[in-house]
This record gives sequence, structure tokens and C-alpha cells, in this order.
Amino acid sequence: DVKVTQSSRYLVKRTGEKVFLECVQDMDHENMFWYRQDPGLGLRLIYFSYDVKMKEKGDIPEGYSVSREKKERFSLILESASTNQTSMYLCASGTGRYSNQPQHFGDGTRLSIL
Amino acid sequence: EDQVTQSPEALRLQEGESSSLNCSYTVSGLRGLFWYRQDPGKGPEFLFTLYSAGEEKEKERLKATLTKKESFLHITAPKPEDSATYLCAVQAGGGSQGNLIFGKGTKLSVKP
Repeated sequence: DVKVTQSSRYLVKRTGEKVFLECVQDMDHENMFWYRQDPGLGLRLIYFSYDVKMKEKGDIPEGYSVSREKKERFSLILESASTNQTSMYLCASGTGRYSNQPQHFGDGTRLSIL
Repeated sequence: EDQVTQSPEALRLQEGESSSLNCSYTVSGLRGLFWYRQDPGKGPEFLFTLYSAGEEKEKERLKATLTKKESFLHITAPKPEDSATYLCAVQAGGGSQGNLIFGKGTKLSVKP
């Protein structure tokens, strides 16, 4: 089974802090994704990566950056956390660019910015 | 613009009462349609992939079907443990980057 592990289930941070969310997958997938999920808005893509050291902006990249130094690990960085970044963050992985295979998700990190 | 709409937003059923969830989509060239189940506080769990109109997939009490404009998730004789939010996502072809476009989900509650 595909395993996508997010480092924290719950996280509380202060406004202005730099926040790191970590994600690791064990299936040697090329693609990795970061989404946020908010009530009424559904899942929105923040950033994605098709290969090590590659990154591409999704639909809502403002205020975020990412890092992919190893194939299995994809980090989301909130450069200066703000209250409107309080959300559920979901990491996903999948095979090959333009592959029509499903993405597999971790259990999410519920982030609160105070 | 590529778009996915799920209906209803919420559905309450009695145990054993069969029903269907709808996912309507408009995309430029469908590469795949995906159904996920999401329990509260957890990430989406993959259920099915459908690739072409007429295709059907089944798993226990769930059956997914696909036409050129929509997909249905049929739930036969549901049980309380089927309560969850069901998400539909499509992957467009053409000039897109191949990322998934998600609907907002249908929250299903099954009462004993």
C-alpha cells in the first residue's frame, strides 16, 4: 500500500513565524503535491513537483514556498504565517507527469495560526 | 474552464436505503475521473478510477459509473460505516498540466 506520511497531525503557530510542514512518501512516486482544504472551498492546489529540485505553482501559491531535495520528501514552507493560513493541509503523491493514475494522500496537518 | 460540480452537498440516508451521488464535469479531454472517500480529520482515501464513458467499477456496496458529462457513485444498502464525505476529481488532457480538479464533495450520513 502507498504510504504518505505528514510529520504533524496538529500544529499551532504564531503570526509571523516561519512554518515547515513535512511530507514523506514510500512508493518512489515522481509527483508530489500540497493542497489546502477549507470548508466550502474544497481542495485547492498550492504547489506541486514532478521531480527532485523541481517545483511549480498551483492555484494559490501566494505566501507559500516548497522544497524537494529528495524524491521521497516534499516540504511546504509558510514564510511568514498569517491567520488566513489556518487550514487543513494535505500532501499527496502520484506516478509520472501526465499519468492518469490516482494521487494518494496523507492524513493531513491541521494548522492553526494565532 | 475545467469544472467539477458535485450534488447534493449533503445526503442523509437510513441504513439500507440505496441512493446515488452525482459528479458533473466539464473538461477539455478527460484523462481520468477519480472517486475518494474522506473521513473527518483524515486525508482522502482513493476508491475508483474511471477512464472512459460506459466504464463501471464496484467495491463492496459502492458502484461508480461514467458518462461523457457525469459520474455517479451508487450506494446499495448503505451502512452507518459508509458515512463520510465523497470527493470526485477529474484530470484533464489537452494542454493542461494534468493536475486534478476536485469537486467540493458530498457529505453522506447513514443513520441506523
